[in-house]
Parts: sequence; C-alpha cells; structure tokens
Amino acid sequence: GESVGLHLPTLSVQEGDNSIINCAYSNSASDYFIWYKQESGKGPQFIIDIRSNMDKRQGQRVTVLLNKTVKHLSLQIAATQPGDSAVYFCAEKGGNQFYFGTGTSLTVIP
Amino acid sequence: GAGVSQSPSNKVTEKGKDVELRCDPISGHTALYWYRQSLGQGLEFLIYFQGNSAPDKSGLPSDRFSAERTGGSVSTLTIQRTQQEDSAVYLCASSLISYEQYFGPGTRLTVT
Repeated sequence: GESVGLHLPTLSVQEGDNSIINCAYSNSASDYFIWYKQESGKGPQFIIDIRSNMDKRQGQRVTVLLNKTVKHLSLQIAATQPGDSAVYFCAEKGGNQFYFGTGTSLTVIP
Repeated sequence: GAGVSQSPSNKVTEKGKDVELRCDPISGHTALYWYRQSLGQGLEFLIYFQGNSAPDKSGLPSDRFSAERTGGSVSTLTIQRTQQEDSAVYLCASSLISYEQYFGPGTRLTVT
C-alpha cells in the first residue's frame, strides 16, 4: 500500500530563520505532490505543489524540492514568521487518491 | 469567492445513532473528496466523486459509511449506527482539475 511519512513530528524555529520540513514517500509511480498547511480548527490549505518531472519549485517564501532517487520531498520556508506556525502535511497522488503523511508541527519562536 | 463549506461544524451524537454531514463545494468544481482526520493524524481518504462517473468508494472503512453527491454539487456523508471510533474531523475538498484541492473547515464528530 501507499505510505507517506514525515521525518520529524515537531519542529521549532526562531522567527526569521529558515525552516525545512521533510517527507518520505514510498510509491515511485506517484506523479504529483502537494504541501498543505493546517492551522488549528481549520481545513488544510494548499501551499505549493510539484509534479514528478520537476525537482524544484518556488513560491512566495516557499520552495519544494523533490528527490525521486530517494523518494524524498522537502518544504523550505524562508524567513519563518509567527503566522507560519501550523501543522504541515505532504501528500502524494496515486490514481484518484491523495495519500497524506501524519504531519509536522512547526512552532515559530518570536 | 465562496470556498468549500461544511455543516454542521460540530456534531455530538450518541453511539448507535445515524449522522449526516454536508459539503458544499466550490461552484463548478467537478471533483469532490471526503477525508477523515483523527486527532494528531494525517488525512484518511474516504471517497471521491468526479463529475458523473461512479464514485471511488475504496476508502470507506465499513458499510456503515456512505456518501452521495446530488446534481454534481452538494455531497452528503452518512454514517449509520455510529461508533465511538467514528469520532474524528470529517473534511471535504473540491477541485476543478483533480489536482489542487480546496478544503472546507471540517465537521468535528463526537460519538458519546
């Protein structure tokens, strides 16, 4: 079956520092990956996506890196702000389904 | 514009009762997903609707769970004879092209 896992369940960073959240996936046939941010009491919010034919994609303050050789995905947040505190999920698309990891809780220390 | 809405936001029910959870997707979105999120866990896929195609029900955990989508828009997730292990947040998402999903705020279900 599918599995998407995160390396660390919690991450604390100082405000202004860069954050890196990692994710491992198991299905080498997955062709699409997404990072979501979920704040307390809210549904997940799309942050950035990447297709399997790419290895890097940049957004506003965020970068996603995809290493298909080791089946690893990472989310980099530049100049982390208090508003970035949330749980971050990676997800991979297999067929009609999206498979989500358990999430990493990011805490930004002012 | 309006996002995905879900109702109720919270539902407390007694074990053995049936519940219905509602999802109003973004207008025009052809794909609709239901997920379940237990405390501190990731999202568990339940069911997927795409246009007029037969839904993908492969994620439904038991025959107590069912869902329908009327007119390609509003969807209802029904849980019959609820059990305590059904307690979770039920999330709905819709998308236009089956990739970028927009999530609703979820319904928190508590079975006592």
